[in-house]
Amino acid sequence: GDSVTQMEGPVTLSEEAFLTINCTYTATGYPSLFWYVQYPGEGLQLLLKATKADDKGSNKGFEATYRKETTSFHLEKGSVQVSDSAVYFCALSDRGGSEKLVFGKGTKLTVNP
Amino acid sequence: KAGVTQTPRYLIKTRGQQVTLSCSPISGHRSVSWYQQTPGQGLQFLFEYFSETQRNKGNFPGRFSGRQFSNSRSEMNVSTLELGDSALYLCASSFPDRGLRGYNEQFFGPGTRLTVL
Repeated sequence: GDSVTQMEGPVTLSEEAFLTINCTYTATGYPSLFWYVQYPGEGLQLLLKATKADDKGSNKGFEATYRKETTSFHLEKGSVQVSDSAVYFCALSDRGGSEKLVFGKGTKLTVNP
Repeated sequence: KAGVTQTPRYLIKTRGQQVTLSCSPISGHRSVSWYQQTPGQGLQFLFEYFSETQRNKGNFPGRFSGRQFSNSRSEMNVSTLELGDSALYLCASSFPDRGLRGYNEQFFGPGTRLTVL
């Protein structure tokens, strides 16, 4: 079945450092790809998405590019802030009739001032 | 527009009991999905309901069940609770019309934290 593998961390960075969280996927079809973020005590929020090869999703300074040849969707941010501290999940959704999301295990990011 | 609401937010039960969790989707959303989140297994898909019908089901035992009402509100039930059922249960809703976007954004509720003693 479909699966998502992401670096599990935890990741600890200083403010203004560069962030990369790796994500690769396995899917039988041609999935849509997502990054979700979970702040402490809250549900998940969609951070960015990409629906086809070479699409770049971006939001709040975060970016990820849908790489079909390497089946990857790595999350990057050039300069992290303390407020970016959260758990980040990579996920995929196939193009069938269901809304099912398949998630990676999550990466906890802590940004220190 | 109000977000996805889940009740109760916290629940403590003992082994062998049963529990019912509730999810109210965003107004107009007709698809509701449930996920279990644990430190060991991460986020795992339980099931999805659309127009009162279960459209997809994850790999969970039959103790886990759900339903959806005509107003799109959904409940999930876990019978004969086990210690391993302790988790955060998340509900997500979406308006199932992918159109040209090719995807439906899922909106998640804050979850119900279930502790089984």
